[in-house]
Parts: sequence; C-alpha cells; structure tokens
Amino acid sequence: GENVEQHPSTLSVQEGDSAVIKCTYSDSASNYFPWYKQELGKRPQLIIDIRSNVGEKKDQRIAVTLNKTAKHFSLHITETQPEDSAVYFCAASTNNAGNMLTFGGGTRLMVKP
Amino acid sequence: GAVVSQHPSWVICKSGTSVKIECRSLDFQATTMFWYRQFPKQSLMLMATSNEGSKATYEQGVEKDKFLINHASLTLSTLTVTSAHPEDSSFYICSAPRSGRADNEQFFGPGTRLTVL
Repeated sequence: GENVEQHPSTLSVQEGDSAVIKCTYSDSASNYFPWYKQELGKRPQLIIDIRSNVGEKKDQRIAVTLNKTAKHFSLHITETQPEDSAVYFCAASTNNAGNMLTFGGGTRLMVKP
Repeated sequence: GAVVSQHPSWVICKSGTSVKIECRSLDFQATTMFWYRQFPKQSLMLMATSNEGSKATYEQGVEKDKFLINHASLTLSTLTVTSAHPEDSSFYICSAPRSGRADNEQFFGPGTRLTVL
C-alpha cells in the first residue's frame, strides 16, 4: 500500500520567515495530494491541495509543489504568522483506493513572534 | 463546502462498556466513509472504510469484532467500540468524500474524544 513520509517532525521559525515541509510517497498511482492544518483537539482543515496533472499551486501565502518523477511534494508558507502555529499533515490518495487518504506523520510548526 | 458531523464530541466511559460514535454527512451523500484514530501527538491512522450497504473494510491490525462499523444509510455511519479498555482512549475522526464526484476531496467530522477509565 501507500506510504507517506513527512519531514521535519518539528519546525520552529521566526515570524515573517518562510517554512517548508516536505513529503514523499511510494505509490506512483497516487494522484491527489492535500495538506491539512490541525489545531489541538480539532478536525484537520484542508489548506491546499494539488493533483498530479499540476506541478505547482499557490494560494496567497501558501504554495504546494509536486514532483511526480521523484514522488515528492512540498508545502511552502511565506511570511509566517503566529497563527500559523499548528500541526500540518500531508496526505496522498488515488482514485483506485476509493479516495482513501494516507497521511504523513505530521509537522509541528511553531512561529515565534 | 460539505459538512460532516460527529456525535458525541467527547465521551468518558468505564472499562468494559461499549461506546457508539455517529458520523453524518449533513448536506451530501456518502457511499463511503472513513474512520481514523489519532493518538496524542501522532498522525491520523486509518482504521476502516465504511461502505453503505456492505461490510466495512478493516486495516491490518484493527479488530473487526471490537470496532463494529455499520453504514446504515447514505448519510450515516456508526463506529461502536465494544468492551472498551483504557488503551482504546483516543481521538476518533470520520471523513467522507462526496459520492458521484471524480475529485478526491474529503470532508472531516469534528472528531470524538474517547476516554476509557
């Protein structure tokens, strides 16, 4: 089955700096790659996603890049703010798996004011 | 976006009792729903795939006789933790994609925190 690795597990940045989180996946059939932000005790919230027919997608301060050949994708957050502090999860999915998501291990992002 | 609800949001029970958690898609139909378990400071781990009108599919290592899943309708799936023990204490989250759509986007419930004493 699919295996998703995520790095780093913790990331501390100064407010205003950029943060980058990287994920790799194992199943070349995966075609959907969402990123979620989860605050303590809350549900994961979709912040951005990318499909396999696209190499990059941007939404204001958040961007995601996908390298299908290398089977890795990354989340980029620019101009970080204290409210960006949370746990971020990447995930991968294929249509063949009935939309089942396989999650990475998570990254705890701390933005210091 | 689509809305998924879960009930209860939290539950405390004694060891040996059974607990039922409901997951509902409020404004869309879901032939498939997914149940995840999340321990503190860990990722979401898929427990099982709930299929409307058929048996659930369990992930390796998840006991189907302990975690009973019933997908009663196109908008409701229930997870029953039978004979709960303290090690079952966790955050249980369901999710559902919208039926009949080609996109993969899933919508998560708010989660249920189970504490077994």
